[in-house]
Amino acid sequence: DQQVKQNSPSLSVQEGRISILNCDYTNSMFDYFLWYKKYPAEGPTFLISISSIKDKNEDGRFTVFLNKSAKHLSLHIVPSQPGDSAVYFCAASEWSSGDKLTFGTGTRLAVRP
Amino acid sequence: GAVVSQHPSRVICKSGTSVKIECRSLDFQATTMFWYRQFPKQSLMLMATSNEGSKATYEQGVEKDKFLINHASLTLSTLTVTSAHPEDSSFYICSASQPGQGLYEQYFGPGTRLTVT
Repeated sequence: DQQVKQNSPSLSVQEGRISILNCDYTNSMFDYFLWYKKYPAEGPTFLISISSIKDKNEDGRFTVFLNKSAKHLSLHIVPSQPGDSAVYFCAASEWSSGDKLTFGTGTRLAVRP
Repeated sequence: GAVVSQHPSRVICKSGTSVKIECRSLDFQATTMFWYRQFPKQSLMLMATSNEGSKATYEQGVEKDKFLINHASLTLSTLTVTSAHPEDSSFYICSASQPGQGLYEQYFGPGTRLTVT
């Protein structure tokens, strides 16, 4: 049972344009969401997070939007840069499970120069 | 800050042997460490949660006798794959929670590629 889903396995965007990565979840108990970036043969690096009490969080070029009623979150990268090319994982956690994270399947972003 | 290292980065072993993977938090004390497994083009699957000085908590479907986890100190956790089989070949990643940092934020090691022949 995949509780966190990223339905687009890949995305290609022109440099300078906006990249939008989507994530859906089924567990209504999730109350904290994170996005990680991963290069091949490396561990994920934390990008940005959002609590369920918010609907938007912004950090530089990265903005995460949360729509609790739709159980959907998205990561916007503006403007996209070639160095952003990587696999992006969304992850979710619920308070009762402590620090445990449930990861989505990932979306491979390619930013074309 | 918040650097996590793993050793080795790659290991090839023969079927039936055991392999130990180390995970270290270099500049902070990690009371909790996590072990993940990632198959090609798939998500990170949590295998177990490791707390310093206590037994690891394994996720459903993970064999605790096959994947031995030891968290002997606040900066070191080890995963030993015992009697390895080719189906154990995978990318193993550890992570650590840094006390006082953002809620649920974990810092990941670079991963270990295990190939069992």
